[in-house]
Amino acid sequence: DTGVSQNPRHKITKRGQNVTFRCDPISEHNRLYWYRQTLGQGPEFLTYFQNEAQLEKSRLLSDRFSAERPKGSFSTLEIQRTEQGDSAMYLCASSPWRGDEAFFGQGTRLTVV
Amino acid sequence: AQSVSQHNHHVILSEAASLELGCNYSYGGTVNLFWYVQYPGQHLQLLLKYFSGDPLVKGIKGFEAEFIKSKFSFNLRKPSVQWSDTAEYFCAVNAGSSGGYQKVTFGTGTKLQVIP
Repeated sequence: DTGVSQNPRHKITKRGQNVTFRCDPISEHNRLYWYRQTLGQGPEFLTYFQNEAQLEKSRLLSDRFSAERPKGSFSTLEIQRTEQGDSAMYLCASSPWRGDEAFFGQGTRLTVV
Repeated sequence: AQSVSQHNHHVILSEAASLELGCNYSYGGTVNLFWYVQYPGQHLQLLLKYFSGDPLVKGIKGFEAEFIKSKFSFNLRKPSVQWSDTAEYFCAVNAGSSGGYQKVTFGTGTKLQVIP
């Protein structure tokens, strides 16, 4: 499968724990995006990368959230000291530079108990 | 900042009925517009997109959308729905730029249920 891959698909964690998600974009896609989707809402933009550079970060992304894309390929999204309000589906997407379409992964569903 | 409104949260139709889902956006400049679909248990997939040119855009699976700039709208239509169209539909907007797909703002989605 050459689509966007996200791991894990599901994560249950206790409040206060740290979690890390991984996204592998489509090969050679320069841009990578993270979104968060809660029940009954559309995806909300969190951040995006062009190669290894993080170009934009939403105000939704508190200091507990950090994203990296160290070699311009896969990306990780870490949430520190998780809270119940962090429970959501975290979506990753990728696109070519100047491409007009992004391709989404199946997401990582986080449940904080 | 850009925003998107989808007025219909849940639509129920019988097979063969016509579909129109409303989408209005708020942004004063040039926009790129998208409709995505999410079938149960699957990832978001692009149905169609508008960047420029003909305001009537045709997408996959018989869907089309019309960009009406004066109304800030980009409604999705299909003349005859099928049971397999049961899914959630999201309208999205990207402030237009020559830099391609960037930060996209999504609406809250419309759940479509098609009854056989």
